[in-house]
Amino acid sequence: GENVEQHPSTLSVQEGDSAVIKCTYSDSASNYFPWYKQELGKRPQLIIDIRSNVGEKKDQRIAVTLNKTAKHFSLHITETQPEDSAVYFCAASNSGGSYIPTFGRGTSLIVHP
Amino acid sequence: AAGVIQSPRHLIKEKRETATLKCYPIPRHDTVYWYQQGPGQDPQFLISFYEKMQSDKGSIPDRFSAQQFSDYHSELNMSSLELGDSALYFCASSLVSVANTEAFFGQGTRLTVV
Repeated sequence: GENVEQHPSTLSVQEGDSAVIKCTYSDSASNYFPWYKQELGKRPQLIIDIRSNVGEKKDQRIAVTLNKTAKHFSLHITETQPEDSAVYFCAASNSGGSYIPTFGRGTSLIVHP
Repeated sequence: AAGVIQSPRHLIKEKRETATLKCYPIPRHDTVYWYQQGPGQDPQFLISFYEKMQSDKGSIPDRFSAQQFSDYHSELNMSSLELGDSALYFCASSLVSVANTEAFFGQGTRLTVV
């Protein structure tokens, strides 16, 4: 099955800095890569996703890049704000096979004011 | 817009008791997933249903079972509860028949086994 590795496990930045979280996946058939933000005790909520037919997607301060050859994808947050502090999970799934999202271990992002 | 509804939000049970968690997916979604999330951990896939049929099983203990009913709601039944079953249990739903769609998560049920 799919295996998703996520790094770093903890990321501490100053407000206004950029934050980058990286994930790798093992199943070359995976074609959908969502990123979820989870605040303490709350549900994971989608913040951005990317499909395998594109290499980059941007939504305001958040961008995701995908390298299918290397099987890795990254989340970039610019101009971080304290309210960005949360746990971020990457995930991978394959619409043509096991469509179940497999999650990475999560990255705890702390943005210091 | 309607979201995924889970009940109860909190549940406290004693060891060896049973628990039933309920999930009401987003209308017209064809797939339901159950995840278990321990403290500080990522969501672990337990089981999924596609159009009311069990489609995949993950790390679901034999003590647990689940089903999806004709009205598309799903229930996770947990028996012989152990202290280690204490976790957040999320239900999610998606429309798999439309490729690569987001899985929407419910608010979760926090189960505490004492």
